[in-house]
Amino acid sequence: ETGVTQTPRHLVMGMTNKKSLKCEQHLGHNAMYWYKQSAKKPLELMFVYNFKEQTENNSVPSRFSPECPNSSHLFLHLHTLQPEDSALYLCASSPGTSGSGEQYFGPGTRLTVT
Amino acid sequence: AQSVTQLGSHVSVSEGALVLLRCNYSSSVPPYLFWYVQYPNQGLQLLLKYTSAATLVKGINGFEAEFKKSETSFHLTKPSAHMSDAAEYFCAVSDRASGYSTLTFGKGTMLLVSP
Repeated sequence: ETGVTQTPRHLVMGMTNKKSLKCEQHLGHNAMYWYKQSAKKPLELMFVYNFKEQTENNSVPSRFSPECPNSSHLFLHLHTLQPEDSALYLCASSPGTSGSGEQYFGPGTRLTVT
Repeated sequence: AQSVTQLGSHVSVSEGALVLLRCNYSSSVPPYLFWYVQYPNQGLQLLLKYTSAATLVKGINGFEAEFKKSETSFHLTKPSAHMSDAAEYFCAVSDRASGYSTLTFGKGTMLLVSP
């Protein structure tokens, strides 16, 4: 595997379910990100982890719970979601140290909440 | 605070025509600028980046962008459009050279290419 991978690629869940999204980066980076991409809205940064420590939480509802066990893996735990949470969830990584700050994205998980 | 404005949510060109996607930014410090492309149901792929070296930046797939400080612009161009260029394009700005980056994205421009 190379780059940033995300599983599953598609997920349908009911509002009472609990599920998790997984992201893994094979780039040796130290920073990882979760974004939400909804139709007709700009990309929304949700969480940032740098060296496994959460550094940003952009007022994300508590029904979204991130976890970063190491610099290569990032999870997004989902519970009691709402239909408006249906979106493409993108994971990204960046070196986290010196550099020009570009981020590398995974293919995303298309989430549908029914 | 940083911001990015992409003029035109949709741009239509004919195959073989010039592609011009506009991006203007606002940043209180010298910026780092990026263009990303997103194909349907995929993630964002880095096309090119400006990091205060040459003002004309060449990227993948024949795209290039020119940084103009006086105009606070970073427009994306390609001399001849190909059908495979049809996708959504995002301009982004970062103000950090070290540590983790926080990218501010524009709303995106959908490029439509007709035969």
